[in-house]
Amino acid sequence: LAKTTQPISMDSYEGQEVNITCSHNNIATNDYITWYQQFPSQGPRFIIQGYKTKVTNEVASLFIPADRKSSTLSLPRVSLSDTAVYYCLVLNAGNNRKLIWGLGTSLAVNP
Amino acid sequence: KAGVTQTPRYLIKTRGQQVTLSCSPISGHRSVSWYQQTPGQGLQFLFEYFSETQRNKGNFPGRFSGRQFSNSRSEMNVSTLELGDSALYLCASREPTGDQDYGYTFGSGTRLTVV
Repeated sequence: LAKTTQPISMDSYEGQEVNITCSHNNIATNDYITWYQQFPSQGPRFIIQGYKTKVTNEVASLFIPADRKSSTLSLPRVSLSDTAVYYCLVLNAGNNRKLIWGLGTSLAVNP
Repeated sequence: KAGVTQTPRYLIKTRGQQVTLSCSPISGHRSVSWYQQTPGQGLQFLFEYFSETQRNKGNFPGRFSGRQFSNSRSEMNVSTLELGDSALYLCASREPTGDQDYGYTFGSGTRLTVV
């Protein structure tokens, strides 16, 4: 089971781009990298998922280098409402769904 | 489409009691997973059910159990409650595609306080 490591906390200001990096040294060939966002007293919400290179959707971009041992979630022009905890997960596309969630990165966006 | 519904939203129990939490997945989702979330430990996987069968189990004592019904609704039970069981219990549903996994949709959780 691939374990992930990400910074415990980050600070930013409104309008800035935020990059959160996650390391997953033991990622397996059929694993996908997935990011979730969680607000207090709510369940996590899916943000983005990728396998390699770059993925972009209306919310974020995900950069994955060739060795796939790390990934970077990029949030463009953050606002106060982006203050949340962000989790990086490595998901097995097979039947093993025993997910390992780290503590996530607590992002604080300041005015 | 209705989201994942967890009931009750808040619960206060006394040590030694037992509790049952309920989760109704998104319609059509056959997989239901349960998580315990505490400030110090983050999200800890409890178990996953698919079509009424437990597919995966985390490292929790036998006091934690679950089941899934034919309509995919799931319940988890904690017996002989301890103070350390105080946590936010989250349920997530998914419809497995066998391919990329976009599908974990979480409920808002049940906040359990053991006194």
